[in-house]
Amino acid sequence: AAGVIQSPRHLIKEKRETATLKCYPIPRHDTVYWYQQGPGQDPQFLISFYEKMQSDKGSIPDRFSAQQFSDYHSELNMSSLELGDSALYFCASSLWAANYNEQFFGPGTRLTVL
Amino acid sequence: KNEVEQSPQNLTAQEGEFITINCSYSVGISALHWLQQHPGGGIVSLFMLSSGKKKHGRLIATINIQEKHSSLHITASHPRDSAVYICAVRLWEGGSQGNLIFGKGTKLSVKP
Repeated sequence: AAGVIQSPRHLIKEKRETATLKCYPIPRHDTVYWYQQGPGQDPQFLISFYEKMQSDKGSIPDRFSAQQFSDYHSELNMSSLELGDSALYFCASSLWAANYNEQFFGPGTRLTVL
Repeated sequence: KNEVEQSPQNLTAQEGEFITINCSYSVGISALHWLQQHPGGGIVSLFMLSSGKKKHGRLIATINIQEKHSSLHITASHPRDSAVYICAVRLWEGGSQGNLIFGKGTKLSVKP
């Protein structure tokens, strides 16, 4: 069965650069969630989208933005990168109306800011 | 106080042992996930529970909504079960689709 796809899997950037992370949900899933997991930390919710509109917002810095496109894939745009942005970024997808909206996780993108 | 508490934080077991990891939460929830994360790896959803009990292979998950408590059991543990096990809850938000709140995780190491 198709799973959530994230690209790239690894990304190395310099301070003050920008980065774009992509998430491709499971086919027919209409909701995407982004989570950030710092080294040794538990994941923290950043933002979510349903039907191309932001549905919830967590601890996402103002330097970050995200959107969901018509094919339901989502992109997390990160600007003015800081050392503290180094983390594993997960996306999860779900079908809004189904089964208590169970979330399925992607493999994550490991971002390293030097 | 964290909204989601897991215990123990670290657990070492011998191969073949029966393992229990506990999760308590202090908020109203609509569902609870048990997740598995290998070192440096992605997150795999093991179970999502809203009531009762689920079983998959050697894994069993139970939840008691009244007591706000869930347990993950591993029978006949194996070294490949070594991972961090994370409990995550979805808040009950009047039907809206909330994000997950994660526990700190339980690091399990199964020795051969």
